[in-house]
Amino acid sequence: GAGVSQTPSNKVTEKGKYVELRCDPISGHTALYWYRQSLGQGPEFLIYFQGTGAADDSGLPNDRFFAVRPEGSVSTLKIQRTERGDSAVYLCASSLWSSGREEGEETQYFGPGTRLLVL
Amino acid sequence: GQNIDQPTEMTATEGAIVQINCTYQTSGFNGLFWYQQHAGEAPTFLSYNVLDGLEEKGRFSSFLSRSKGYSYLLLKELQMKDSASYLCAVADSNYQLIWGAGTKLIIKP
Repeated sequence: GAGVSQTPSNKVTEKGKYVELRCDPISGHTALYWYRQSLGQGPEFLIYFQGTGAADDSGLPNDRFFAVRPEGSVSTLKIQRTERGDSAVYLCASSLWSSGREEGEETQYFGPGTRLLVL
Repeated sequence: GQNIDQPTEMTATEGAIVQINCTYQTSGFNGLFWYQQHAGEAPTFLSYNVLDGLEEKGRFSSFLSRSKGYSYLLLKELQMKDSASYLCAVADSNYQLIWGAGTKLIIKP
């Protein structure tokens, strides 16, 4: 079946602009995660959704970052007043559940990422 | 605090065996994951350990010792395509993944 998809694959914007990044999870996966990753680092957690609600948004760096998942499927990560330091790869992942009811059901599967460059 | 430690870089020869270690300190433990990430691509799931012992999956095996806070990923019969970063991640008490920075594995002919 189809994996996690993310659009756009690349985004170049100017400092101060607004951007939206989209994630389409694996069908039937209730949990959806946003991470960002800089070169040579592991993924940095931003936010995760269980269904439509943000179950944990403790990783969002500041109030310029916001994410929604209105129908419990597709999610959009929104960044206002972008700064050069926001440049990174933004990864989305989904899992069947956020906590494993059966062993391994919380395994996260990643999309290809959106490479964001803020000039 | 929570942290995951793994070597930054390792080099191995095609056809050989390599072991990538990971040690962790987390608030709670609900499983340890290994992911492979090729340059410019997203992480792909390799293995999951929640009980002590060795899990074998083809050329790749993963070992866990919960009492020691330690895991390793063993790659056998190395191929050039195994050149990638290998990420260790632990699910904490809230099932949040705590990630290591990754080990860049370089395979030489």
